[in-house]
Amino acid sequence: NAGVMQNPRHLVRRRGQEARLRCSPMKGHSHVYWYRQLPEEGLKFMVYLQKENIIDESGMPKERFSAEFPKEGPSILRIQQVVRGDSAAYFCASSLPMTAGGIAKNIQYFGAGTRLSVL
Amino acid sequence: ILNVEQSPQSLHVQEGDSTNFTCSFPSSNFYALHWYRWETAKSPEALFVMTLNGDEKKKGRISATLNTKEGYSYLYIKGSQPEDSATYLCAFNGPGNQFYFGTGTSLTVIP
Repeated sequence: NAGVMQNPRHLVRRRGQEARLRCSPMKGHSHVYWYRQLPEEGLKFMVYLQKENIIDESGMPKERFSAEFPKEGPSILRIQQVVRGDSAAYFCASSLPMTAGGIAKNIQYFGAGTRLSVL
Repeated sequence: ILNVEQSPQSLHVQEGDSTNFTCSFPSSNFYALHWYRWETAKSPEALFVMTLNGDEKKKGRISATLNTKEGYSYLYIKGSQPEDSATYLCAFNGPGNQFYFGTGTSLTVIP
């Protein structure tokens, strides 16, 4: 998992504030995934992005959450007007695209996560 | 949202014992099955990627099998050691590159 950088590692916000979580993928990786881990639960898929493109956001809450992966710079997961229920660990993973032959080379490499606490 | 189930939820074994746990997933729209190892305070790390029915993978004392027709994979650990203590996650990889993780099996190896 070396190389996927998430920051900050810990983020404290008051209710109603905005939270911005950053993820820099491994060098050469063009695919980024965001997951949320609620207390006592497993990893839940949120969104899958390629550069400048959201591929699948079926796991994202409909309101207040957004994600981007610009041409330059890290992927950003943005949570507006945070509520206590948003407190969780947010993990980012990056991967290579699948090969042209369709062989699954899309192993995900995870960052260390950002632990968001909403007061 | 697909249902990926892992059992048991947690497991305690004595050092030296062999153990195994299960990942169940939908048998349709299958592309790959991934196993990850997640140690406390670290990030999940990939163990195996399995794509073909009947696949068997091995890394040291850890091995995995895959049955895509009935939708399950087994992870085996032979001669468990305390350093094997971790949560083992499986992830169903669909054709659109979606990943659906199970909630994991938490393994504790008692010295």
